[in-house]
Formats: sequence, structure tokens, C-alpha cells
Amino acid sequence: AQTVTQSQPEMSVQEAETVTLSCTYDTSESDYYLFWYKQPPSRQMILVIRQEAYKQQNATENRFSVNFQKAAKSFSLKISDSQLGDAAMYFCAYNSETSGSRLTFGEGTQLTVNP
Amino acid sequence: SAVISQKPSRDICQRGTSLTIQCQVDSQVTMMFWYRQQPGQSLTLIATANQGSEATYESGFVIDKFPISRPNLTFSTLTVSNMSPEDSSIYLCSAGLAAYEQYFGPGTRLTVT
Repeated sequence: AQTVTQSQPEMSVQEAETVTLSCTYDTSESDYYLFWYKQPPSRQMILVIRQEAYKQQNATENRFSVNFQKAAKSFSLKISDSQLGDAAMYFCAYNSETSGSRLTFGEGTQLTVNP
Repeated sequence: SAVISQKPSRDICQRGTSLTIQCQVDSQVTMMFWYRQQPGQSLTLIATANQGSEATYESGFVIDKFPISRPNLTFSTLTVSNMSPEDSSIYLCSAGLAAYEQYFGPGTRLTVT
């Protein structure tokens, strides 16, 4: 079974600074997908960024980028120029087509952005 | 991307009763899933809602407690049966066309008294 671990229950960053959230996972599969979801107090799960395991290039979406290290099974999220609206719970998640596309989530990291 | 709505958005129910949560997608999707998020916790998959057949449940979840229907490619329901305070959670529906593309509904916050 696949597992996802987020070792930072809480993180904080100053507005306009950069922060990195960590995620590691365990799998025996070679083809899979990794995601970062954001959950603000409204509880809506918002897809921030995704990475296909077969792609060597790290995904980027505006101020959000990932550092995907397949051999180390590491998938960190970097948020640049942090904004107050980035404050939320961030979940790392894994799925694959062979596992029925079911998402496995990490425990989450609560991000606080200080003005 | 798919737009997903859920009803109700929240409810307060008495123990021993049942609540049915609806999930509606604005386009046909291949996959629909139901997740539970207990207070202060991460998301846990309850089941995969299969169109035209019985749902596939994850370990620890059973059909008698969480019956699921999926009559077509855009709609699914989750019923939480014979509720107890331990069922107080946020219940989320997700849907997508492929493994790499899944979107979530706004969730249903359930409180059982």
C-alpha cells in the first residue's frame, strides 16, 4: 500500500518570503501522480499543482513549484512571494491508475502567513 | 475542470438517524469518490462510487453504514446511516476523468448530537 508523510504539522512564513513544505511517499509503483491540495478555512479542496512521475521536469504554477526527487521519493512544494491568501492547510497526495485513481493523503501542513 | 456541488453544505443530526448527501457534477466524469475528514484530520477514502454497480469500499467502511448510489455519470449520493457522534466529520465528494485530474466538491459538514 502507498503511504504519504508530511513531517511538518505547522509552518509559518512572512508575507513576500519563500516557504517550502515537505512531503515523502512510499510506493512500489513506477507510474503515479503526486499532488498538492490547499484547504482554506472554507474547507474547499483546491488543486495547487500536480506532477506526473514519468516527467523529470519539476512542475510549476505561477508562484508554486515542486522539487520532485523520484529516487528519494520526495515531493516538496515551494511557495514564492507568499501572500496572506496562501494561509491554509496543505495536503500532499498520491494516486495511480493501477490503484484505481484513489487519492492517498498525507497528514497535512498548516501554513500561516504573517503580515 | 469539473464543477462539483454538494447538498447539504452542513447539517446537525440526532444520533440514530440517517443523512443522505448529494454530489452533482456539471459534466460527465469517469470516476467519483467519497472521502471523510474527521475534525483536525486528513482525508480518508470511504469508497469509489461505480456507475451502475455497487460501490467499492475501503477497509473499515461498510455498505450498511455508508450506502452509496451512482445512477449516472454526473450524480452520486452517500448516506450516513444510524449516526453516532463519531460520525461528525466533513464528507467530501471528488470526481474526475482521469487519475491526474480530480476535483473536489465544497464538502458537507455533519454534526451528530
